[in-house]
Amino acid sequence: RKEVEQDPGPFNVPEGATVAFNCTYSNSASQSFFWYRQDCRKEPKLLMSVYSSGNEDGRFTAQLNRASQYISLLIRDSKLSDSATYLCVATVTGGFKTIFGAGTRLFVKA
Amino acid sequence: GAGVSQSPRYKVAKRGQDVALRCDPISGHVSLFWYQQALGQGPEFLTYFQNEAQLDKSGLPSDRFFAERPEGSVSTLKIQRTQQEDSAVYLCASSKRRWLAGKESTDTQYFGPGTRLTVL
Repeated sequence: RKEVEQDPGPFNVPEGATVAFNCTYSNSASQSFFWYRQDCRKEPKLLMSVYSSGNEDGRFTAQLNRASQYISLLIRDSKLSDSATYLCVATVTGGFKTIFGAGTRLFVKA
Repeated sequence: GAGVSQSPRYKVAKRGQDVALRCDPISGHVSLFWYQQALGQGPEFLTYFQNEAQLDKSGLPSDRFFAERPEGSVSTLKIQRTQQEDSAVYLCASSKRRWLAGKESTDTQYFGPGTRLTVL
């Protein structure tokens, strides 16, 4: 079982739709969580950190549920430019290893 | 300012050759990471440096992989006797502060464009 698991998708949604991605992690010692965005053949870029209390950045909302060991990302009012792969990331207490999920592909259509 | 740069951007090697991949992190960044990304997968952690110290090399897949950062800035990932399964994109990332194990760190990792290695 992978340490960080995501639904690979693809998610095909129309512009303006709301879409949600979930991610589960297996190591209860995981400490820090992030969502990264990766465009095709480009490097990953930080989208947002995920705090225990949940956090919002414009159209993007991230939630963390430690009891169930999952993280979510909600995108409201989807734009064509949101089309990308979204990577869920966890780091583990006691180490420096950063663990990426395989990513969820999103296609936003006009 | 300048971001993370990597060279070469593309490398084709014959099986059994040695390769060296270079990473120039953002100036002043303390932390440096190497990742391997296979097609359709997320980046897989290889190793972590804090300045010149290699604090975690748990992700290096075999003893053919070696990384160094002798002066705490530029880093080189070396792969000896390359195999076909080494074909992947190798990403380097840097972050400003120490990556503190056990802390809820929100320090951003800035990635370079990667080196696409193809082993024939």
